[in-house]
Amino acid sequence: DQQVKQNSPSLSVQEGRISILNCDYTNSMFDYFLWYKKYPAEGPTFLISISSIKDKNEDGRFTVFLNKSAKHLSLHIVPSQPGDSAVYFCAASGSGGSNYKLTFGKGTLLTVNP
Amino acid sequence: EAGVTQFPSHSVIEKGQTVTLRCDPISGHDNLYWYRRVMGKEIKFLLHFVKESKQDESGMPNNRFLAERTGGTYSTLKVQPAELEDSGVYFCASSQQVNYGYTFGSGTRLTVV
Repeated sequence: DQQVKQNSPSLSVQEGRISILNCDYTNSMFDYFLWYKKYPAEGPTFLISISSIKDKNEDGRFTVFLNKSAKHLSLHIVPSQPGDSAVYFCAASGSGGSNYKLTFGKGTLLTVNP
Repeated sequence: EAGVTQFPSHSVIEKGQTVTLRCDPISGHDNLYWYRRVMGKEIKFLLHFVKESKQDESGMPNNRFLAERTGGTYSTLKVQPAELEDSGVYFCASSQQVNYGYTFGSGTRLTVV
């Protein structure tokens, strides 16, 4: 049973436009959410995160939005750049003693076209 | 500082053989984690070490998998005997404290034929 879902396997956008990657979760015990970026032949790299007590977190071109009632989060990249082309993983973590364990989605391949 | 190092980067073995994957965490990181991504599926947690002790091995698929962490430094993950469904990319990660902000290695791509 998949607890973190990324329903779009791929997304293609033009350079300079906005990229919106979506993620849904089913486990209401998750209280921390992260986005990782992965290039081929490399490990996932932490990008941005958000606690369940917030609904938005911004870091430069990257913004993550959390809608707890809908159990949905999204990653916005503005403006998109060709170097952003990678697989993006949504991940979630529980609280307390299980805060080290990440549950990942299957990933979305973002392609930013010049 | 050096990152998390995994060896080998690729391994192709026959069904029934044994393979050992190695992970060298960032120096000083007490916490070490193993994850696996099977083709087309999500990255899944396998286990967590604190120093040389296994804190959580709830994600280990079965008893063909054995993880060790000698002296709280590097870790090995042995698969014996390997089955076709063990194919995938095995990631190691480490952190100084127990949290989710950890650093991943580049992974070992294991192919069982």
